[in-house]
Amino acid sequence: AQTVTQSQPEMSVQEAETVTLSCTYDTSESDYYLFWYKQPPSRQMILVIRQEAYKQQNATENRFSVNFQKAAKSFSLKISDSQLGDAAMYFCAYSSYGGSQGNLIFGKGTKLSVKP
Amino acid sequence: DSGVTQTPKHLITATGQRVTLRCSPRSGDLSVYWYQQSLDQGLQFLIQYYNGEERAKGNILERFSAQQFPDLHSELNLSSLELGDSALYFCASSPRGATNEKLFFGSGTQLSVL
Repeated sequence: AQTVTQSQPEMSVQEAETVTLSCTYDTSESDYYLFWYKQPPSRQMILVIRQEAYKQQNATENRFSVNFQKAAKSFSLKISDSQLGDAAMYFCAYSSYGGSQGNLIFGKGTKLSVKP
Repeated sequence: DSGVTQTPKHLITATGQRVTLRCSPRSGDLSVYWYQQSLDQGLQFLIQYYNGEERAKGNILERFSAQQFPDLHSELNLSSLELGDSALYFCASSPRGATNEKLFFGSGTQLSVL
């Protein structure tokens, strides 16, 4: 079975600085998808970024980028120019490739605080 | 706003009772997912429906059941409630339920079992 591990329960960053959140996963599958979801105090889960395992190029969405290391089974999220609105819980998630079951396997999350 | 509507937002009930949580997916989405978020278990997948049919099952207890209706809204029924069932229950939807699709989450139903 696949597992997702986020080893940093809490992180803190100064506004305008850069922070990296870590995620490792375990799978025997060769193709899969990885996601980072954000959960602000409003509780709603919001997709931040998505990476296809068969793509070597790291995904980027504005100030958010990932460092995907397939061999190491590592998928970290880098937030550049951190803003107060980035304060939230961040969840790393895994999804199998292909098929019709789109359910996600989530890590325990990292709580990010942004200091003004 | 994700377009996914969950009701009620909060629910307080007693042990042994039965409750129903409701979810209306985004317009056009055929697949609905239910997730449970608790402090000790984190976010866990419960069950997925696609166009009225069950497609995938996760860590859903036998006391829990769900269905998706012809109008595509879904209900999650929780019975014989225990203290440990207190959690935030999320519904999410996606167009076809495929593995690479973005999931759109509702705001959740916070269930408190006293």
